[in-house]
Amino acid sequence: DAKTTQPNSMESNEEEPVHLPCNHSTISGTDYIHWYRQLPSQGPEYVIHGLTSNVNNRMASLAIAEDRKSSTLILHRATLRDAAVYYCILLTFFGNEKLTFGTGTRLTIIP
Amino acid sequence: GAGVSQSPSNKVTEKGKDVELRCDPISGHTALYWYRQSLGQGLEFLIYFQGNSAPDKSGLPSDRFSAERTGGSVSTLTIQRTQQEDSAVYLCASSLVGPLAGFSYEQYFGPGTRLTVT
Repeated sequence: DAKTTQPNSMESNEEEPVHLPCNHSTISGTDYIHWYRQLPSQGPEYVIHGLTSNVNNRMASLAIAEDRKSSTLILHRATLRDAAVYYCILLTFFGNEKLTFGTGTRLTIIP
Repeated sequence: GAGVSQSPSNKVTEKGKDVELRCDPISGHTALYWYRQSLGQGLEFLIYFQGNSAPDKSGLPSDRFSAERTGGSVSTLTIQRTQQEDSAVYLCASSLVGPLAGFSYEQYFGPGTRLTVT
C-alpha cells in the first residue's frame, strides 16, 4: 500500500493560515488523497479529499502537486478549535476503504 | 441529523470476561466499519460490513473478536475472554458507498467506546 509521510507536529498562531504538508511519493493513479482530523477525545472527522485538482470546502482547501507526490492541507484562518491531529491517507477508488492512520501531524494553535 | 452512536461510552471489565459493544450507524448508510485505537496510537481497522455482502474480517486480531450486523443497521462487536491488551477505544464508522456518495467514501465516526480490561 502506498504510504504517506507527515511531520509529527506543527504550531500556528490563531487566525493565521496553516499549511499541513503530506508526502506520498508512491501514490498510484487510482489513489484518492483524503484528510481526516481527530480532536481530543473524539472520533476522527473527515476534512477533505481530492484526486488531481485542488479542492475547497467549508473546512479547508487541498492543494495537490502536479505530479501528485505531495499535497498540502490549508486551513485559511486557524482557530483554537482546529487544534487536532491531522491524518493524510490514500484510499483507492474501489471496494473497501479501510482507514489506517499513522501518527499524523499534531497541530497546536497558539492564542 | 443523528450521527453515529455507540454504547456504552466507557466499559471496565475484568480479564477473561466477555464484552459487547454496540454501534448505531447513520440511517441509510450501507457501509459500517469497526476500528480500534490504542492510547497514543493510530487507527487500526478491525472489520467492515457492506450491505448483504460477506464482511471483511481481515483486521480482527484473534478469534476472540467477532462482529455482526443485523438487518443492515445496528452492529455489535463482541470480544470474548478479554485480555489487557484489548484495552483501547473502539470506534465505529459508517458511510454511503457508491454513486449516492459521489464516490467520496467519507466515513462518519461515532464517539467511541473506551474499553479498559483490568
